[in-house]
Amino acid sequence: EIVMTQSPATLSVSPGERATLSCRASQSVSGNLAWYQQKPGQAPRLLIYGASTRATGIPARLSGSGSGTEFTLTISSLQSEDFAIYYCQQYNDWPLTFGGGTTVEIK
Amino acid sequence: EVQLVGSGGGLVQPGGSLRLSCAASGFTFSNHDFHWVRQAPGKGLEWVSDISDSGDDTDYAQSVKGRFTISRDNSKNTLYLQMNSLRAEDTAVYYCALSLGEPRMDYWGQGTLVTVSS
Repeated sequence: EIVMTQSPATLSVSPGERATLSCRASQSVSGNLAWYQQKPGQAPRLLIYGASTRATGIPARLSGSGSGTEFTLTISSLQSEDFAIYYCQQYNDWPLTFGGGTTVEIK
Repeated sequence: EVQLVGSGGGLVQPGGSLRLSCAASGFTFSNHDFHWVRQAPGKGLEWVSDISDSGDDTDYAQSVKGRFTISRDNSKNTLYLQMNSLRAEDTAVYYCALSLGEPRMDYWGQGTLVTVSS
């Protein structure tokens, strides 16, 4: 099983600042990596797939990068709607696995 | 507009059974793979199972293999998850999710809560 590790667990950021979230895979997943956002009481929402392709309707201030075992989600200028939990997920091999999540909170 | 509406959750005793449903609309159901993903209270996301567009291919997490069965009825645009021999650790919100291509979750249902407790 491929283990996905996200860091940090919690990120405290002021509105308008940049946030950088990391996701590491225990073995290479090539570019088969997705990012999701989840707000309290809501279902997750797909943000990024293929490590760097934004899903429909996702603003350009969110960007993904990386390949192999190291991935990054960057939010260039945090807006109020960006404070949430973010999960990465690998789909290179079964079982499909998620990282433990990073909570982005208001500083 | 893609819509996934989950139902069938509830309170069940350990060892009991439950069948979850996910009714889909807004797209051609039979063209796509689906997943079930769960989230225990206050915890992260855990992939449970997936099924191919035809229903011929299925996969399961080790934690549910042999107890859960995923299926679909393409004539009813509905996805199912039959859960048997339920345990306390199966308590979670269960989400159905649609894959548009690769095995990622492009769209999610609203989730249905399953509580396993005596």
